[in-house]
Amino acid sequence: AQKVTQAQTEISVVEKEDVTLDCVYETRDTTYYLFWYKQPPSGELVFLIRRNSFDEQNEISGRYSWNFQKSTSSFNFTITASQVVDSAVYFCALSEAGAGGTSYGKLTFGQGTILTVHP
Amino acid sequence: GAVVSQHPSRVICKSGTSVKIECRSLDFQATTMFWYRQFPKQSLMLMATSNEGSKATYEQGVEKDKFLINHASLTLSTLTVTSAHPEDSSFYICSASHIGPPEETQYFGPGTRLLVL
Repeated sequence: AQKVTQAQTEISVVEKEDVTLDCVYETRDTTYYLFWYKQPPSGELVFLIRRNSFDEQNEISGRYSWNFQKSTSSFNFTITASQVVDSAVYFCALSEAGAGGTSYGKLTFGQGTILTVHP
Repeated sequence: GAVVSQHPSRVICKSGTSVKIECRSLDFQATTMFWYRQFPKQSLMLMATSNEGSKATYEQGVEKDKFLINHASLTLSTLTVTSAHPEDSSFYICSASHIGPPEETQYFGPGTRLLVL
């Protein structure tokens, strides 16, 4: 069975601080996909990144960066120079390979990390 | 980009009534749609996988007779909460798989907040 653990329930930082959100996953699949989503108070999920199990390259997108390490089954997310607008719940998710040639199957979500950035 | 809509965005109903939630992929065809439920301050839990033209596959513990799913076309899936009770109050989110181009991904709808009184 697949499992995603986000050990940090809540994180509080002051604006401009860097913050790392941890994500550890478990799966028996050799092909899988990892995601990060942001959920602001409105509830709508905002897609941040997708990474497949064969691509361990770290990625940087503006103030966001992701560190994927298969050896430790971790996919951590760092926000550099945090801003108040970054305040939200962040979910890490794991997807099995989909059926019928599709890449995506159902997603297993972590419990989420509530990030609060204070001015 | 691809968009998924949900209707209604929020609904309040009396206990015992049935509520239908629609999930539409607006500019792409989705052979597979997923329904998730999120209780306050909790994670999203998959309820069922919906494939166009076939019966939905429900996750363990989800009552298929209570949560009826119909995926009648490649752009529409509906979730009907039958005989709703207060414990069914939750945030229901659908997602649709988009094969591409430019690439495969999964898009989420904005969610539907259900409050059963």
